[in-house]
Amino acid sequence: GAGVSQSPSNKVTEKGKDVELRCDPISGHTALYWYRQSLGQGLEFLIYFQGNSAPDKSGLPSDRFSAERTGGSVSTLTIQRTQQEDSAVYLCASSQPAFSGFAPPDTQYFGPGTRLTVL
Amino acid sequence: QKEVEQNSGPLSVPEGAIASLNCTYSDRGSQSFFWYRQYSGKSPELIMFIYSNGDKEDGRFTAQLNKASQYVSLLIRDSQPSDSATYLCAVPHSGGYQKVTFGTGTKLQVIP
Repeated sequence: GAGVSQSPSNKVTEKGKDVELRCDPISGHTALYWYRQSLGQGLEFLIYFQGNSAPDKSGLPSDRFSAERTGGSVSTLTIQRTQQEDSAVYLCASSQPAFSGFAPPDTQYFGPGTRLTVL
Repeated sequence: QKEVEQNSGPLSVPEGAIASLNCTYSDRGSQSFFWYRQYSGKSPELIMFIYSNGDKEDGRFTAQLNKASQYVSLLIRDSQPSDSATYLCAVPHSGGYQKVTFGTGTKLQVIP
């Protein structure tokens, strides 16, 4: 079946502009995660959704960052007034609380990421 | 203490050797443990998971878990250059929801 998709794959923007990044999780996956990964660095957790609610927003780096999820499916990460330090790959992942073939519950399936460059 | 800790490396091993990657975690209630592999420029992918104390083997990969010591490791036997990647340890929270914490990853380099 279809995996996690993200769009756009690449985004170049000017400092101060707003950007929206989209994530389409695997159908039926109840949990959705956003991470940020700067060049050569580890995964930085941003936010986690269970259904449409976000029980954990602790990783959002500032109030310029926000995210929503509608219909228990698609999620949008919005960065307002982008700064150069926002440049990174933004990864989305989804999971479900049940076994699926080989994979145990909570296995995260990652999308290909959006590479954001702020000039 | 970080929730999930890994040595960032790089860990360099010669081709054919055993690579040993280690991870410690702080949540004593965690029940499952995952290892993801991330090639440069790619997204992480699941390669191993383990629930029970002891060893779990899958081909050249062995995951080891010691819950008393809050320690999980990944052994790669007969390391190949294609194993060169960053290996991420991931631990779901025990709080009853699907939050997962990733370690910062260990970069493995297998030298031909």
